[in-house]
Amino acid sequence: EDQVTQSPEALRLQEGESSSLNCSYTVSGLRGLFWYRQDPGKGPEFLFTLYSAGEEKEKERLKATLTKKESFLHITAPKPEDSATYLCGGNLIFGKGTKLSVKP
Amino acid sequence: NAGVTQTPKFQVLKTGQSMTLQCAQDMNHEYMSWYRQDPGMGLRLIHYSVGAGITDQGEVPNGYNVSRSTTEDFPLRLLSAAPSQTSVYFCASSYSWGNTEAFFGQGTRLTVV
Repeated sequence: EDQVTQSPEALRLQEGESSSLNCSYTVSGLRGLFWYRQDPGKGPEFLFTLYSAGEEKEKERLKATLTKKESFLHITAPKPEDSATYLCGGNLIFGKGTKLSVKP
Repeated sequence: NAGVTQTPKFQVLKTGQSMTLQCAQDMNHEYMSWYRQDPGMGLRLIHYSVGAGITDQGEVPNGYNVSRSTTEDFPLRLLSAAPSQTSVYFCASSYSWGNTEAFFGQGTRLTVV
């Protein structure tokens, strides 16, 4: 059965404190491992898709990496505006998300 | 471009009532899908479509019907609303299958009493 598991469920950081979010996946026929950002009361917003192990993509303070079993979303020197729920998934399946809070 | 438009934004239904959640996209995307989002459950796929006239079931299809008569529109019908269908519903569209770069609507918050 296809499965996507994200950890931790919630993460609280101080502004400037770098960290990583984990996404473990078992998805047959994976077309691409994606990451989305969701702000409260809004729909998810696309961030990245990774297609092969070893691939990395960056956007501002975010960098996503991919292995054959996991993906990581690295957040470098986060700011309060990075606070959101980050969702990962594959094909049509999403994980439950990691809620990130960045305090000034 | 408007992107993906969902209507209504909020709705309260009584148990047993039926209604249709509307979803329209103006990007000429072939792929569209409906999700529900509940606290602690994440996004769960209800139904999806790979093009006009073609739909398929997702993880939680019971109690919902869909049709896709045009590329632009993908309505979700609740046949007989139940309190368990209280949720936030999101419609998404993408140019390729698999949410590799999907656009989501703003959601419909549905309460069934």
